This record gives sequence, C-alpha cells and structure tokens, in this order.
Amino acid sequence: AQKVTQAQTEISVVEKEDVTLDCVYETRDTTYYLFWYKQPPSGELVFLIRRNSFDEQNEISGRYSWNFQKSTSSFNFTITASQVVDSAVYFCALSEARTGNQFYFGTGTSLTVIP
Amino acid sequence: NAGVTQTPKFRVLKTGQSMTLLCAQDMNHEYMYWYRQDPGMGLRLIHYSVGEGTTAKGEVPDGYNVSRLKKQNFLLGLESAAPSQTSVYFCASSSPGTGNYGYTFGSGTRLTVV
Repeated sequence: AQKVTQAQTEISVVEKEDVTLDCVYETRDTTYYLFWYKQPPSGELVFLIRRNSFDEQNEISGRYSWNFQKSTSSFNFTITASQVVDSAVYFCALSEARTGNQFYFGTGTSLTVIP
Repeated sequence: NAGVTQTPKFRVLKTGQSMTLLCAQDMNHEYMYWYRQDPGMGLRLIHYSVGEGTTAKGEVPDGYNVSRLKKQNFLLGLESAAPSQTSVYFCASSSPGTGNYGYTFGSGTRLTVV
C-alpha cells in the first residue's frame, strides 16, 4: 500500500495565483516525520520543510505555507502568489521512527506556473 | 561545501555491462542510502546502510549490490545492466536519532542502459 499519496499528478496555474499541493500519508507509528522536497528541472532535490508528528502547528515561510492535520493524515503545501521559478516537481515524504530513517516518497506533483 | 557527492553524474551503459556508482559524504553521517527515481514513481529505496560494514535491502534491491567499506563512502554496483535500470539514482545520508533532520541528498546520477 502506498504510504504517501499525492493525487495531483500535474497542476498548471497562472503566475500570481495561489496553489495547494495535496499530500495524504498512512502510518501506524505515533512518531513520524513529514517532508516536502522541490525538484526543479535541474534535477536536484531541495529540502523545503520537515515536520514531526507531535507538532501540528502550521508553518509559513515567505510565500510557502504548510497545513498539517493528523485527523485527516494530510500535510498540504500552499504556494501563495506563485512565480515562474516555482515550476518544479514537488515531493511529499514520510519517515517513521519504527522503520528507521528510510523515506517513503509520494509520486510527486508537477507544477507549472505560466507567466 | 559539505554534503553528499555522487560520481559520475551521467553514464551510458550497454546491456550486460557492469558499473559502480560512488557516493561520498563528509558529514560523518552513520546512515547512507541509495534510491532510484523513475517517471511517475517518486523515489524508491534500493539499499541502505546503518554503519560501516553493514548493508540492507530496500524496496527494489534486485540487480544491485552495495558496499560500505568506509563510513564516508557507499558504493552501488550493477552487475549486469539491463534497460530496466535506466533511471536517476540518488544517494542520501543521515544521522540516527535526529528525526531525519539533516537528511541530505546528492545531486543524482542519470544512468541510461541501451
């Protein structure tokens, strides 16, 4: 079973629009960590955020914000006032304390911001 | 700069050839990993190591071997390359007990098997 589901395969928005990328995860652990990574066309993986299971506080970093809801097992990512440089593939990932440091990745959401 | 370095960055192999991908980290991390990334499938774990001299299988280990003779290096070997192993390979490293804070990826190796 897929531990991390990113149902949106591709999204296109016009510059300055807001966009939310969905991530739903599945785990039986009470201690786990959730991540978002950005993969621009150059191919490297850029770390965006890490959240542990005991901290449900939403976080904002500039135009980026994250909504963590344990009740729905979701960790959604919103980009406000999108820019062309935001065009990339975004991955959500889960690691569980029980299975060590292994990451389980979603299949990614490809975001295209149209100027 | 501190981090994870993968060599080579690109490689083309013929079916049946063998090769080794090298991953080196200078952060004194205990754990190291090899992932492969295929279109529409995210990253999947091939093998990992929790310390020098130890290795373990991940989700998709078939056709690969690994070795961790030194703490800073983690080698991924393809014994007899197949077109199905065409992929982008990422190495990563981390420290135990940190909740994966500081989990670091290399820049990737793009391998094509023809």
